[in-house]
Amino acid sequence: EPEVTQTPSHQVTQMGQEVILRCVPISNHLYFYWYRQILGQKVEFLVSFYNNEISEKSEIFDDQFSVERPDGSNFTLKIRSTKLEDSAMYFCASSGGYGTYEQYFGPGTRLTVT
Amino acid sequence: GQNIDQPTEMTATEGAIVQINCTYQTSGFNGLFWYQQHAGEAPTFLSYNVLDGLEEKGRFSSFLSRSKGYSYLLLKELQMKDSASYLCAVRGSDDYKLSFGAGTTVTVRA
Repeated sequence: EPEVTQTPSHQVTQMGQEVILRCVPISNHLYFYWYRQILGQKVEFLVSFYNNEISEKSEIFDDQFSVERPDGSNFTLKIRSTKLEDSAMYFCASSGGYGTYEQYFGPGTRLTVT
Repeated sequence: GQNIDQPTEMTATEGAIVQINCTYQTSGFNGLFWYQQHAGEAPTFLSYNVLDGLEEKGRFSSFLSRSKGYSYLLLKELQMKDSASYLCAVRGSDDYKLSFGAGTTVTVRA
C-alpha cells in the first residue's frame, strides 16, 4: 500500500541553525501539507501546496519557513533559523485531489532545538 | 476561525462500545474527519463525513449532523490495540487544510 515517507525520523539542531525536513508524498497525489504537533498539544496546520505553489498558510508559517518541491517526488520544509519553540513533531501529508479528501500522514520528523 | 471540542479522556472495557463526541463551530464546512493516533506515531485516517448520517466501516462508525455541528465516532467490540488518541478534524469550505481538535485519549482495560 502506498505511503508517505519522511526523513529524518529525528533531527537535533542548535538554535539559529537551518534545518530541512524531507517528505515523499504518495506518488499520484496532488495536494501536499505540513503540520506540526508540539508535545502534548493538538496537530496544527502549517502550509498546503498545490500545482507548485503555496495554496494556504497559517500564521505560524512566517518568513523563517519555506516549502519546495524540488523534483517530481520530494516535498521539503525548511526552517531558516530555528528557535526553541520550533521543537515539535512535523508531519507531512498528501491527498489525492478533487473528489478524494482524506489526507494521509507520514510518520513524522521529531525536531529538537537545543 | 475553527473551534473544535472533544472530551479529553475516556476509559472502556475490552469488548465494550465507546462513543466519542465532537462539536465544532467553523467559518465554513466541507467535511469532518476522524483520525487515530497512537503515542509517538502519525495520525491514521479512519473516516470522512460530509453529508448527514452514519458511515459504517467494520468496528468503527462515524455520524454527522451538520445542523447541530456535531459528530461522533463509535468504536465497537473494543480491543486493547484501540487504546489511542482519536482526533476530530474539520475541513473548511474554501481550502483543503484540516483543523484538528485536541484529541480524545481512549484507554481500553482488560
